[in-house]
Amino acid sequence: EVQLLESGGGLVQPGGSLRLSCAGSGFTFSSYGMSWVRQAPGKGLEWVSGISGSVDSTYYADSVKGRFTISRDNSKNTLYLQMNSLRDEDTAVYYCAKGVTGSGIYNFDHWGQGTLVTVSS
Amino acid sequence: DIQMTQSPSTLSASVGDRVTITCRASQSINSWLAWYQQKPGKAPKLLIYKASRLESGVPSRFSGSGSGTEFTLTISSLQPDDFATYYCQQYNSYSPWAFGQGTKVEIK
Repeated sequence: EVQLLESGGGLVQPGGSLRLSCAGSGFTFSSYGMSWVRQAPGKGLEWVSGISGSVDSTYYADSVKGRFTISRDNSKNTLYLQMNSLRDEDTAVYYCAKGVTGSGIYNFDHWGQGTLVTVSS
Repeated sequence: DIQMTQSPSTLSASVGDRVTITCRASQSINSWLAWYQQKPGKAPKLLIYKASRLESGVPSRFSGSGSGTEFTLTISSLQPDDFATYYCQQYNSYSPWAFGQGTKVEIK
């Protein structure tokens, strides 16, 4: 059974940093692209960042480019999102999502339960 | 960037009703469209991919159609478990991976 378990969320002040993790199990982690998708309170889904299975390609939404960095450690079956220079508008539940292929463009067939990031002073 | 527009934003329906949700892309995305269902406090769940392919385990009352710029999600006979918010998502390009704004299906 595919499982994705996010961690690392919490309360952080504006301008601060946070690193999210997503541990995958039940599938060959390195064979699939992964993404982070967020959802602000009461709002819709917003794709944030994606990475290929082989780690050779990364992608970012304009809203986070230059502030967030996606990475993965295939030896640990773990996806990361390093978030710097956090803003109030980054407050959201952050989901990791598994792609259906290792590279290229794909839909997401499994999602984690989400981790809440609150940016507030 | 490709923009995805869903309509309606909210839909009130009764159990047993046939429900249709529309998703329009700002430019052609061929058939690279997925539909997700999300219930309050839960992660999204994949229903349909490549515009019309039903994800394994999803009830057959859900169906998708369309190509190019206009797509529909149809629930043939609405069940109590189907009251949720539905999102379309394009994956034709890294434009980025854009979602529609969502359609909330409420009990009439």
